Amino acid sequence: DIQMTQSPSYVSASVGDRVTITCRASQGISSWLAWYQQKPGKAPKLLIYGASSLQSGVPSRFSGSGSGTDFTLTISSLQPEDFATYFCQQASSIPLTFGGGTRVEI
Amino acid sequence: EVQLVQSGAEVKKPGESLKISCKGSGYSFTNFWIAWVRQMPGKGLEWMGVIYPGDSDTRYSPSFQGQVTISADKSTGTAYLQWSSLKASDTAMYYCARRTATTEYFDYWGQGTLVTVSS
Repeated sequence: DIQMTQSPSYVSASVGDRVTITCRASQGISSWLAWYQQKPGKAPKLLIYGASSLQSGVPSRFSGSGSGTDFTLTISSLQPEDFATYFCQQASSIPLTFGGGTRVEI
Repeated sequence: EVQLVQSGAEVKKPGESLKISCKGSGYSFTNFWIAWVRQMPGKGLEWMGVIYPGDSDTRYSPSFQGQVTISADKSTGTAYLQWSSLKASDTAMYYCARRTATTEYFDYWGQGTLVTVSS
């Protein structure tokens, strides 16, 4: 199985801050990576796919980059509605696997 | 509008059986893979397996193979996840999610079904 390691596991930030979350795959996955946002009590929501493509309807302050084993999710200017947990997911091989999550809090 | 609507919360005892459902609407149910994802309390996401409702082709994560059964009824547009003998460690939120047409990403999710197993 491909292991996905996210860091940090917790981020304390303020509205307007730039936030960067990283995800590392245990082996190369090309650009087969997605990022999801999950708010408490809600289902995950797809933000980024293909490492850098923005899902329809997702604000442009979210961006993704990377390929191979190292990836980043950046929120350019944190908004109140962005406080949530973020997960990466590799889509290269089955079983599909997720990172452990990064909680973004005030 | 694409929707995945899951069945309601369940409280069961160890050893009991259970089948939860996920009804798709607003798209061609038979043409998109549906996955099940587990989230244990306060934990991350775990991919359990996936089914293609068009022909019931099913793939399981090795971690869940033999522990659960995934099925689908294309006549009703519903996917299922079932257990024959629940354990306390099955307590979790379970999500169904639609895979995109050509990739292993999940663009629509159900609201989740909370399963609590306790004696």
